[in-house]
Formats: sequence, structure tokens, C-alpha cells
Amino acid sequence: GAGVSQTPSNKVTEKGKYVELRCDPISGHTALYWYRQSLGQGPEFLIYFQGTGAADDSGLPNDRFFAVRPEGSVSTLKIQRTERGDSAVYLCASSLAPGLAGNEQFFGPGTRLTVL
Amino acid sequence: AQTVTQSQPEMSVQEAETVTLSCTYDTSENNYYLFWYKQPPSRQMILVIRQEAYKQQNATENRFSVNFQKAAKSFSLKISDSQLGDTAMYFCAFTSATGNQFYFGTGTSLTVIP
Repeated sequence: GAGVSQTPSNKVTEKGKYVELRCDPISGHTALYWYRQSLGQGPEFLIYFQGTGAADDSGLPNDRFFAVRPEGSVSTLKIQRTERGDSAVYLCASSLAPGLAGNEQFFGPGTRLTVL
Repeated sequence: AQTVTQSQPEMSVQEAETVTLSCTYDTSENNYYLFWYKQPPSRQMILVIRQEAYKQQNATENRFSVNFQKAAKSFSLKISDSQLGDTAMYFCAFTSATGNQFYFGTGTSLTVIP
């Protein structure tokens, strides 16, 4: 497929567990973004990658959240010691040229995380 | 800080009619971009239309057009000849010319009634 893909589409876990959410951006897109969308809200920025490095991680809520993109393509969002408040849809997006604001961000279908 | 406000949580429109969704934003930037994204139940965010702040002409994409009022910091979306497939959440978003993240509003749930 040519779009952004995310796996799993749904994840149910127990409080205190560790989870990993995966994002496959569009081939050739060097910029990758993670957002969190809580029920009834718009997406909120978490982190932005340019290539392999996190260029802006100011949206990560605390140190339980971490993301990597080791080869500049696939990214994994990692959440340690999950809490019920982490329940949300986690969206990934990618775009072409880095730092060119206004470039369309292409979104994946999201991963719905439920922490029991 | 940038903020985006959508004051209409829910709206409905009869099929084939016209509807306008409101969006206001706050920024101290002079150069920026505004977007409307559509999010159907499948959760996939789809770009509807984009406006560059330095362009005075309002953007248009087929049945979708915007009314961009820079001084008032207003960016409304007009959908003409509404279709059943337009039923979705609509999000207004802002990004500055120097930034990378998008700032989203809380969304407007639009229902097109047959």
C-alpha cells in the first residue's frame, strides 16, 4: 500500500504493562510525526522525527513515553508502565520535505490503545 | 502559543444543501498555513483543503471552499452540495511557517441527512 500504516489497529493492555505501537510511513517521506487523540478531542502533537533523530519531542507527556526511528523509516512509540489515562488513539503521520511548513501530513489510521 | 478553536461540536445539513463550519485561531506568527482535515469513522485523517496565510485568495477544492479572514484570525469551511459521504468529523489545523507540528481544534461532527 502507498499510505501510512500503523499496527496494531487496536491494543488492549493492563495498567502497568509496556506497549509498543508501530508506524510505517510513506516511502520516501523523511518527516514522521506522532499524535495522540483522546475521545472527543483533536490530535495532540507528541513527537517529530527528521530522519532518524527526534527533532522535537516537546509533546511527550512524561518519561514513560519514548519513540525511536532507527533507520529513518519505521517508527515505534513505546509506553512504559501504562496508565488508564494513556487510553487514546495514537496517530502517525508522515510528510515529504522536512521543515517545509505547509506540506501536507499524511495520516495513518491510528492505533486505539485501551488500558484497563 | 498557537491555539485553534472550533465552537460547533455538532452540525447537520440536508443532502445537497450548503453548510459552513467555523474555525478561529490565535497566533503571533505572520506566516503560517491552515488546513481542514476530515476524519470519518475509519479514523483516517484526510486533507480537505489548505490555505497559505500569505495568499489573499481563498482556497477552493471542488465543493469545498474556505473563507480566510487573516485580520480576524478566522478560517471557515464551506461545503456546497453536501453529500452523504461528507458525514465525518472535521478538524481545523494550524502550522507555522517555521514549525513542524500541527495544532488541531476539537473538531466538528457533521452529519449529512438524506
